[in-house]
Amino acid sequence: EAAVTQSPRNKVAVTGGKVTLSCNQTNNHNNMYWYRQDTGHGLRLIHYSYGAGSTEKGDIPDGYKASRPSQENFSLILELATPSQTSVYFCASGAGVAETLYFGSGTRLTVL
Amino acid sequence: QQKVQQSPESLIVPEGGMASLNCTSSDRNVDYFWWYRQHSGKSPKMLMSIFSNGEKEEGRFTVHLNKASLHTSLHIRDSQPSDSALYLCAASLNYNQGKLIFGQGTKLSIKP
Repeated sequence: EAAVTQSPRNKVAVTGGKVTLSCNQTNNHNNMYWYRQDTGHGLRLIHYSYGAGSTEKGDIPDGYKASRPSQENFSLILELATPSQTSVYFCASGAGVAETLYFGSGTRLTVL
Repeated sequence: QQKVQQSPESLIVPEGGMASLNCTSSDRNVDYFWWYRQHSGKSPKMLMSIFSNGEKEEGRFTVHLNKASLHTSLHIRDSQPSDSALYLCAASLNYNQGKLIFGQGTKLSIKP
């Protein structure tokens, strides 16, 4: 079974603070993704990456940065957190075109 | 604008009954479709994929695809309480197949 690990599982942040969400995969997959999930919106794509050193903007990138320093690691950075970024964040990895995505357990972020 | 639309938003089906879920894309560039299932408090897991016109069956689950209308449907026969979950439809674009777009989901409840 493909393994994707996210940390932390829960995070409470203050408005204006910096938040970093981390994701590690041991599948040797090229593609990695960050989604957020809110009631009524399904999963919305924030940033994704095709390999180390690459990041691409998804459908809702504003207020978020991403970093892919290695094949295994993909981070999501909120430089100035806002309450509207309160959500559940999922990281996923995939081998490539037409391949299944494997999701981490999610990070519940609350911005006060 | 949501490129992948699912209906209904929620569905209640008696145990042993048939559940039918729908998904349509508004983007003519959509190429491949997936169905993911997410139990409450868990991460999404791939249930079935369909890439060409027609029907695909795996156990109690059947998926249909009509590429001309960009419509896919998931049918679950002999529904069980363990089928209660959020069902997410996902699609990839032919010019950017690494990017997976999800619909808002259908919440399925199986009533014993």
